[in-house]
Amino acid sequence: GAVVSQHPSRVICKSGTSVKIECRSLDFQATTMFWYRQFPKKSLMLMATSNEGSKATYEQGVEKDKFLINHASLTLSTLTVTSAHPEDSSFYICSAERGGYETQYFGPGTRLLVL
Amino acid sequence: KNQVEQSPQSLIILEGKNCTLQCNYTVSPFSNLRWYKQDTGRGPVSLTIMTFSENTKSNGRYTATLDADTKQSSLHITASQLSDSASYICVVRGGGADGLTFGKGTHLIIQP
Repeated sequence: GAVVSQHPSRVICKSGTSVKIECRSLDFQATTMFWYRQFPKKSLMLMATSNEGSKATYEQGVEKDKFLINHASLTLSTLTVTSAHPEDSSFYICSAERGGYETQYFGPGTRLLVL
Repeated sequence: KNQVEQSPQSLIILEGKNCTLQCNYTVSPFSNLRWYKQDTGRGPVSLTIMTFSENTKSNGRYTATLDADTKQSSLHITASQLSDSASYICVVRGGGADGLTFGKGTHLIIQP
């Protein structure tokens, strides 16, 4: 099946620093990638949708200047949490969708802890 | 408003027993329904995906059913194993430009 990877799997940073998370589709070209955030024992919350080569579409309440998304190629999307604060600590998951398949393949997630 | 409701919220069963998880949705128009398994601290993994015309689909010990008329789906797990302990998430995709609507999941614990 299709494989999506995320890097890093876990990151601890100081408050005020920026953190970049990578999401890669390893064996297919992803026309669309999605970024989710999940708090403990809560459901996945869609943050933004990105299409290769165009600006991401952010969900209501998600600050686009704080969560920068770059979808530079059909196999790579990055999420940068700028000036991270402790309340940004969460589990961030990406998913990738192949055109015409209508199935999202999820990455393994990145655990972010901001001290 | 599109909604996906899952029940029960949590479930504990003994290893070897069967169980059924429920998913009711109000998403319209409907494109497809997926069941995912999410282990703690991991990303969701797809179990099944069903379109309007499909009313049952199996993946090993997992069998999903779909009644598009009543907008209900179920996920049946047969002969449960300890490794089945996870959250099971029902996700419905609407038609057209609609995105995905996620259920809150059922947290399943298999006890030895």
